[in-house]
Order: sequence, then structure tokens, then C-alpha cells
Amino acid sequence: AQKVTQAQTEISVVEKEDVTLDCVYETRDTTYYLFWYKQPPSGELVFLIRRNSFDEQNEISGRYSWNFQKSTSSFNFTITASQVVDSAVYFCARYSSASKIIFGSGTRLSIRP
Amino acid sequence: NAGVTQTPKFQVLKTGQSMTLQCAQDMNHEYMSWYRQDPGMGLRLIHYSVGAGITDQGEVPNGYNVSRSTTEDFPLRLLSAAPSQTSVYFCASSPTADSTPQPQHFGDGTRLSIL
Repeated sequence: AQKVTQAQTEISVVEKEDVTLDCVYETRDTTYYLFWYKQPPSGELVFLIRRNSFDEQNEISGRYSWNFQKSTSSFNFTITASQVVDSAVYFCARYSSASKIIFGSGTRLSIRP
Repeated sequence: NAGVTQTPKFQVLKTGQSMTLQCAQDMNHEYMSWYRQDPGMGLRLIHYSVGAGITDQGEVPNGYNVSRSTTEDFPLRLLSAAPSQTSVYFCASSPTADSTPQPQHFGDGTRLSIL
């Protein structure tokens, strides 16, 4: 199976620190899409970003930024100046040519005040 | 706008019982899917559908059946519940635009316990 690996099970940082969540994926497809979702303590799943395999430009949205590197099959997510409200489980996911969207196991991020 | 609605929110079953988890969306989305979420396992794809009348298996389909008779509804059936199926189940939907996958909209989840 072509996996999505989030090796960091849990991360805990103090508020205002920067934190990077790692995502490594496997794929045999030339065209594919990658996603990040957030699951706050309330339990709902919230879409953060989608990236296609042809666009390796990094993206920044406020305190959030994403680094996509095809050479290392990685799509890492950085939160700058973290806040308590960023505490959540974050999932990386990959869309395959078979129309399947496969998720990683998630990283639980705790931001301590 | 209701989005993706899952019912029930909570359910307790005995081993061997059957039940159907309901999922409905009012956004006219073609793509629908079911996931289960277990501690340390993330979200695992059970079944998915790219349109009415079309379903396919995901990563962990055993013990579950689905059907898609309408665009709006995508029920998940447990044929004979087992304790290993204790989990939180999420239904999701997204529009399809050619072959470009769109962000999924998730329901609030169904917490299922099998005794």
C-alpha cells in the first residue's frame, strides 16, 4: 500500500514557539494531491490546504506555511508563533489515481501556555 | 445549509448485531466516503463512492457494506458487529471537478461501541 507517514505521534511546545509537523508519502503516481486537515478537541475535521504534485512552491497563510519537496516525498507543515488554539490533531492525506484519499496516522500537537 | 449529516451520533451494540450508519449530504457532491478513526491509527478509508451506483473498497472494507442509490445518501452497514469495530466513524463528501480532488467536508462522526 502507498502509505502516508506522520512519524511524530505527539508534539508539545510552549506558546509562541515555532513547530513543524512532518509528512512523508509514498506514491507511484505522476499526478497526485496532498492535503492537510486539522481536528481540534471538539472533534470536527477542518481542511487546511491542498497541493498538487506539479506545484512545488511553498505556501504561506498567516502563521501557517507548507514545504512541499518531491525529491524527498515530503509535505511538511510549520506553525510560526504557535498559540494555544493551535492545539489539535493534524492529519496529512494523499489522493491517489484510484480516487482513494489515504490519511496518515496524525500528529497530536499540544501548545502549552 | 446542513452539509454532511451523520446519524446516530452515539450507538452501543452487542456482538453479532447489525446496524446501519446513515450519512446524507445536501451539497450535491459526487464523491462520498467512510472512514474509521482509532487511536494511533488515524483515519482509515472503509469504502468510497465516486457517484450514485458506484462504490469501491478502501483500506479496511471487511465487515462493512455500502450502497449509493442516490447522490445524497451513503449508508454504511455493519453486518455482524464485532468488538474490533468499536471506533469513531466519519462520513465525508466532496465535489469532483474533472480529476482534481476537492477538499472533503466531514460529518460530526458516529461513536460506536460494540460490547
